[in-house]
Amino acid sequence: EADIYQTPRYLVIGTGKKITLECSQTMGHDKMYWYQQDPGMELHLIHYSYGVNSTEKGDLSSESTVSRIRTEHFPLTLESARPSHTSQYLCASSLPGLAGNNEQFFGPGTRLTVL
Amino acid sequence: AQTVTQSQPEMSVQEAETVTLSCTYDTSESDYYLFWYKQPPSRQMILVIRQEAYKQQNATENRFSVNFQKAAKSFSLKISDSQLGDAAMYFCALIQGAQKLVFGQGTRLTINP
Repeated sequence: EADIYQTPRYLVIGTGKKITLECSQTMGHDKMYWYQQDPGMELHLIHYSYGVNSTEKGDLSSESTVSRIRTEHFPLTLESARPSHTSQYLCASSLPGLAGNNEQFFGPGTRLTVL
Repeated sequence: AQTVTQSQPEMSVQEAETVTLSCTYDTSESDYYLFWYKQPPSRQMILVIRQEAYKQQNATENRFSVNFQKAAKSFSLKISDSQLGDAAMYFCALIQGAQKLVFGQGTRLTINP
């Protein structure tokens, strides 16, 4: 399995709470990604980063924010969780460069439930 | 814009039989890469197989092989001798240049013992 980790694996939290989903990888990958996976299992890119201090919004609008202070770490934060944020969040990473190196390695995911 | 379409939300197959999962895509580029990813229940998504668009030969990985039809923009996955451990969601994906990976909607594969 790939060396990419996510914590917590499961989180149940009340509305209005601030949460941070952690993602770290030990492969030295420059590119990192956050996906939201809805009940129909389709993946939606919500954030990505091409390196330290680089963050971009993905294809699906999200109220979450991300930061990339260290290469290996790409946390996602929700300032005020709402029931509509209930979903599975997958983190991934890949090497820089051309598409052929862009195999993405995925973490185990965090299943978030907001009550 | 790139798009990837998986028209089979669910598929099932008898153990030891062969199953083919369909994927079509659209891209304006001639150089790109296609992937099949597998997501078992409650487990990490992993890469199953990769195909470079400039290669005519279909990629194979043990029991997994693809039928890559570039002109038709089709990229199907064949699983031979299906095993219970093959049960998972399968995602077809496309990337070109330095763009982002684009996923299909996924196909849930069930293996019947």
